[in-house]
Amino acid sequence: EAQVTQNPRYLITVTGKKLTVTCSQNMNHEYMSWYRQDPGLGLRQIYYSMNVEVTDKGDVPEGYKVSRKEKRNFPLILESPSPNQTSLYFCASSPIGTANNSPLHFGNGTRLTVT
Amino acid sequence: AQSVTQLDSQVPVFEEAPVELRCNYSSSVSVYLFWYVQYPNQGLQLLLKYLSGSTLVESINGFEAEFNKSQTSFHLRKPSVHISDTAEYFCAVSEITSGTASKLTFGTGTRLQVTL
Repeated sequence: EAQVTQNPRYLITVTGKKLTVTCSQNMNHEYMSWYRQDPGLGLRQIYYSMNVEVTDKGDVPEGYKVSRKEKRNFPLILESPSPNQTSLYFCASSPIGTANNSPLHFGNGTRLTVT
Repeated sequence: AQSVTQLDSQVPVFEEAPVELRCNYSSSVSVYLFWYVQYPNQGLQLLLKYLSGSTLVESINGFEAEFNKSQTSFHLRKPSVHISDTAEYFCAVSEITSGTASKLTFGTGTRLQVTL
């Protein structure tokens, strides 16, 4: 089954403790992206990747890192999480190099709480 | 820079009633337009999209949206809603560019609550 898989689904952590949220897609998509969803703000893009070893900042990249060593994986790293990073995070992918007209395929989300 | 406005954060409606979810966008260039739906505890799914051609686009579950360039709108409508349509709906816009990545900008979402 074609899908985007995020892990974990739920995560509670403390301020400053490094964490990684994994994202994997099995559709051979070139484009991958991370979003955070907050009430009243909709989805905001954190980082995106056009292809392996190519990443770029989205609208809200501060406090996050990503890597794209393999086509299928696009982990999101929080080196020193803070409470304002408490949010619902979504990974998404699409087939071609840009998201212009190619629909995004989303994972089921990771709900992160930082205390 | 592109932007999307969804003025209604929540829309309550009775089952079998019609509904319209409003979406307006702002961009200095031509755009692609999308509606995504998010059911509880799930990620977003593409509902329908406008790329070019006919300004009226339809989804398989009875929703339709009409691109109105003069009013910069892409409102989503359904003539008769069902309980199962209860979800959050996001409008999104992507500027048409060549060669470089184009960002998909989402609106803040409209929660459609269908009751009996």
